[in-house]
Amino acid sequence: QVQLQESGPGLVKPSETLSLTCTVSGGSLSPYFWSWIRQSPGKGLEWIGYVFHSGSTKYNPSFQSRVTISLDTSKKQLSLNMTSVTAADTAIYYCARRITYLDVWGKGTTVTVSS
Amino acid sequence: DTVVTQSPDSLAVSPGERATINCKPSQNVLYSANNRNYLAWYQQKPRQPPKLLIYWASTRESGVPDRFSGSGSGTDFTLTISNLQAEDVAIYYCQQYFTSPPTFGGGTKVEIK
Repeated sequence: QVQLQESGPGLVKPSETLSLTCTVSGGSLSPYFWSWIRQSPGKGLEWIGYVFHSGSTKYNPSFQSRVTISLDTSKKQLSLNMTSVTAADTAIYYCARRITYLDVWGKGTTVTVSS
Repeated sequence: DTVVTQSPDSLAVSPGERATINCKPSQNVLYSANNRNYLAWYQQKPRQPPKLLIYWASTRESGVPDRFSGSGSGTDFTLTISNLQAEDVAIYYCQQYFTSPPTFGGGTKVEIK
């Protein structure tokens, strides 16, 4: 069955760029949408955006100006880049399948923004 | 954005009894063209990601015990856990996916009394 695994640095400095990768195994990227979601004590679960298997994207307006999500089909990886991070971006970041109900989730990766 | 309000924030239920969690999106999530409610329920245990339990408001995900059931329509939804088991201790979230961006409720913590 399909599995997702997030990876990336656990500590990012304020004002820098957060970069995460999600590797998809045991299944195909097509014909699905692939989402990034984060969870923090202050804001709960927040949907950040998605990438379609074709490469098209859509972002939550709350993150629109500083987020990029992309897809590397050859590696079966989706990526999240978030610029100009602050302490408010400290959270567990998840990748998940679909943009409607989210039926498969990665285990999540914790990102702390601190100098 | 559609605001999703859950109640109660927490509840304690005796083993074998019923737990009822409410979810109210601020906008209607019923799409009249297909008569589907765009609402899902998740269970999250400590140090784990959310796990999908219910989608389309009442369709149980494969492998989910039938003691979990979802009901409701429009702006009023309920997750019912019948015959509560110790392993059901968790935080439960609802999520609407009718409007963009998809949004989640604040969660309901279920404990054993």
